[in-house]
Amino acid sequence: AQKVTQTQTSISVVEKTTVTMDCVYETRDSSYFLFWYKQTASGEIVFLIRQDSYKKENATVGHYSLNFQKPKSSIGLIITATQIEDSAVYFCAMEPHNAGAKLTFGGGTRLTVRP
Amino acid sequence: DPKIIQKPKYLVAVTGSEKILICEQYLGHNAMYWYRQSAKKPLEFMFSYSYQKLMDNQTASSRFQPQSSKKNHLDLQITALKPDDSATYFCASSQGGASGNTLYFGEGSRLIVV
Repeated sequence: AQKVTQTQTSISVVEKTTVTMDCVYETRDSSYFLFWYKQTASGEIVFLIRQDSYKKENATVGHYSLNFQKPKSSIGLIITATQIEDSAVYFCAMEPHNAGAKLTFGGGTRLTVRP
Repeated sequence: DPKIIQKPKYLVAVTGSEKILICEQYLGHNAMYWYRQSAKKPLEFMFSYSYQKLMDNQTASSRFQPQSSKKNHLDLQITALKPDDSATYFCASSQGGASGNTLYFGEGSRLIVV
């Protein structure tokens, strides 16, 4: 069984700074996908970025990037130049290869970006 | 405009009753899913459907029954409701049922069982 752990329950940063959110996972699968989603105050859940386990290069999309450390089973999310509207709950998730979109989610990290 | 429509957004139900949560997606996706988010647990996978066929069921209870009348519909019938069923139920879809596809979520149906 898979397990995803986000130890930071909440983080508060000043806007325009960089924030890193941690995520560690457990799996016996050799091939898997890692995702970050965010849930806004309205409850909407939105996909942010994905990392394929077989890729060594860290994924980057806009001001989101990942710090993938496979030996540590860790996939951190880095948000640069944070904006007020980045305030949300961020979820890390993993999906074994051939699991058919059966994601295991972490408990989430609430990010507050203040002026 | 939301591409995945869930109805109702909020509902209060009495213990022992039955409710149906509606989900329609207009993304042209072939795969649809139900996830549940409660105060006690993170987002949990419940069901996956691909081309209207059940692919995976991680729900221990038979009280939860997905129903797919059309390719872009995946409703969730919940019978004999219990207070522990109180949660927000999210419908999601993806282009295909294969791994690695991006999930697109609806806005959720928040169920409170009293």
